[in-house]
Amino acid sequence: RKEVEQDPGPFNVPEGATVAFNCTYSNSASQSFFWYRQDCRKEPKLLMSVYSSGNEDGRFTAQLNRASQYISLLIRDSKLSDSATYLCVVTLSGSARQLTFGSGTQLTVLP
Amino acid sequence: DAGVIQSPRHEVTEMGQEVTLRCKPISGHDYLFWYRQTMMRGLELLIYFNNNVPIDDSGMPEDRFSAKMPNASFSTLKIQPSEPRDSAVYFCASSLLLGNSYGYTFGSGTRLTVV
Repeated sequence: RKEVEQDPGPFNVPEGATVAFNCTYSNSASQSFFWYRQDCRKEPKLLMSVYSSGNEDGRFTAQLNRASQYISLLIRDSKLSDSATYLCVVTLSGSARQLTFGSGTQLTVLP
Repeated sequence: DAGVIQSPRHEVTEMGQEVTLRCKPISGHDYLFWYRQTMMRGLELLIYFNNNVPIDDSGMPEDRFSAKMPNASFSTLKIQPSEPRDSAVYFCASSLLLGNSYGYTFGSGTRLTVV
């Protein structure tokens, strides 16, 4: 079983739609959680951290459910520029510096 | 700040040749990571350093791979001899503890093709 699992997609949505991505992680001792964004042929970049209480950054909302070991990302009013691969990332207990990546979910926002 | 700098951006080499990838981390960052990304396996951590010392190399696929960090501003990842299955994008990242969070920055990557 992979440590971090995501639906690979692809998700093709019209501009203005709301889209949600899910992620599960296997290690219950995981400490920190993030969503990264990776554009085609580019490096991953931090989109947002995920906090236990849930957090929002503009059109983006992240949720964490430790009991279910589940992370989500919601994008509202999607823009063409949101087209990218979204990577779920966790750091494991005792290895706080190491990022463990999911395989990513590909999003294409269509005009 | 110029960010994490990797070179070369692209490398095409023949099977059996030695390949050296280079990375310059952000000044002041005390951790450096080497990741490999393929379609099949996604992003995998190969090795990471803290204050120039290798901490965990359990992700290095085999003895053909080696990494060094001779000083705080430079690291290399070497593959000798290279094989077609080593074809991937290799990313270097560096990080610094900022309060309770870590600021990770990735380089632009080296796209390696072994033919």
